[in-house]
Amino acid sequence: DQQVKQNSPSLSVQEGRISILNCDYTNSMFDYFLWYKKYPAEGPTFLISISSIKDKNEDGRFTVFLNKSAKHLSLHIVPSQPGDSAVYFCAAGYHAGNNRKLIWGLGTSLAVNP
Amino acid sequence: DTAVSQTPKYLVTQMGNDKSIKCEQNLGHDTMYWYKQDSKKFLKIMFSYNNKELIINETVPNRFSPKSPDKAHLNLHINSLELGDSAVYFCASSTRQGSNTEAFFGQGTRLTVV
Repeated sequence: DQQVKQNSPSLSVQEGRISILNCDYTNSMFDYFLWYKKYPAEGPTFLISISSIKDKNEDGRFTVFLNKSAKHLSLHIVPSQPGDSAVYFCAAGYHAGNNRKLIWGLGTSLAVNP
Repeated sequence: DTAVSQTPKYLVTQMGNDKSIKCEQNLGHDTMYWYKQDSKKFLKIMFSYNNKELIINETVPNRFSPKSPDKAHLNLHINSLELGDSAVYFCASSTRQGSNTEAFFGQGTRLTVV
């Protein structure tokens, strides 16, 4: 049972336009969310996060929106650049006793075309 | 300087063998993790160590034994390798267990069991 779903395995966008990557979750216990970016043959690198008490967090060209009632978050990249081409993972975290657990989506492969 | 480094990058071995993957972080983090990304691209946590102490063990077979000689190292030893163990294994570290801070990942070890 996938608690974190990224329903689009791939996305192709023109350079300069907006990229919107979506993520849905099922567990209402998740209290923070992260986006990671992964290039081939490298480990994921942290991009941006958002706490469940917020509905928006912005960092430069990257903005994450959280809609708790819909259990949906999205990552907006504006303007998209060819260097943004990578796999983007959504992850959701929650407390499990004294520990914090992260559940990952399967990723969306973004291709930004020049 | 590489923040989280793991060796080897590629590992090809026969079924039944025992192998180890090493991980070191120079970030001064207290918490280290092992993740497995299987052929379906699921990224799942296997273990979490905080200050050399095992915190999370996510239903991983006993053939997998993590060892943390000190805070900066978390090695993964795998006994009696099976075909299904073929995957990419990522080591990661973060400032402390239970925080919302992001984790830093190594570049991954692609393990192929033949």
